[in-house]
Amino acid sequence: NAGVTQTPKFQVLKTGQSMTLQCAQDMNHNSMYWYRQDPGMGLRLIYYSASEGTTDKGEVPNGYNVSRLNKREFSLRLESAAPSQTSVYFCASSRKRTETQYFGPGTRLLVL
Amino acid sequence: KQEVTQIPAALSVPEGENLVLNCSFTDSAIYNLQWFRQDPGKGLTSLLLIQSSQREQTSGRLNASLDKSSGRSTLYIAASQPGDSATYLCAVVGGSEKLVFGKGTKLTVNP
Repeated sequence: NAGVTQTPKFQVLKTGQSMTLQCAQDMNHNSMYWYRQDPGMGLRLIYYSASEGTTDKGEVPNGYNVSRLNKREFSLRLESAAPSQTSVYFCASSRKRTETQYFGPGTRLLVL
Repeated sequence: KQEVTQIPAALSVPEGENLVLNCSFTDSAIYNLQWFRQDPGKGLTSLLLIQSSQREQTSGRLNASLDKSSGRSTLYIAASQPGDSATYLCAVVGGSEKLVFGKGTKLTVNP
């Protein structure tokens, strides 16, 4: 049982490049989330998907797009990366939005 | 807007000591409160979830309490071990049904 998996583990981008962060869960959870974690700022919600076919903005959505491809997969896309998007990105999932969230190992992104 | 505060930001204790981590939140209208552990360079691991109707939850050497009316929670760790060294994060789910995190307490347990 892999839980929540994320790819890639680490990525370096140049300003203006695009990339997609992938997330998958095998727990048959309905809700999935993308967070970013920055020193001194804590974890902040970027986007979430309460159920398959729906997505909503979180606290810091600007510069990102998401796709809930199916119940298992939730991707985060940076269309034109900026140095301010240098961060550690975590994907999480839960059965319902008010239940325990399970986190992936994170993707470390450096934008030069 | 819900705000979650954790004090202290860092704590260093000798092995075997009992310790308490504190968490406070500004809006008492919550569904639940969750405690997570994060090891360096890793993701978050859920430790305990307390529903708004509950006063405490226990798991092994961990005990979490919730006083919703005062907006406070504590995580009690008994007989601390070096393996307990990590950052502990508190988070609440409120009316928006989104997790709002504190910035964490970095715990170091010295052998």
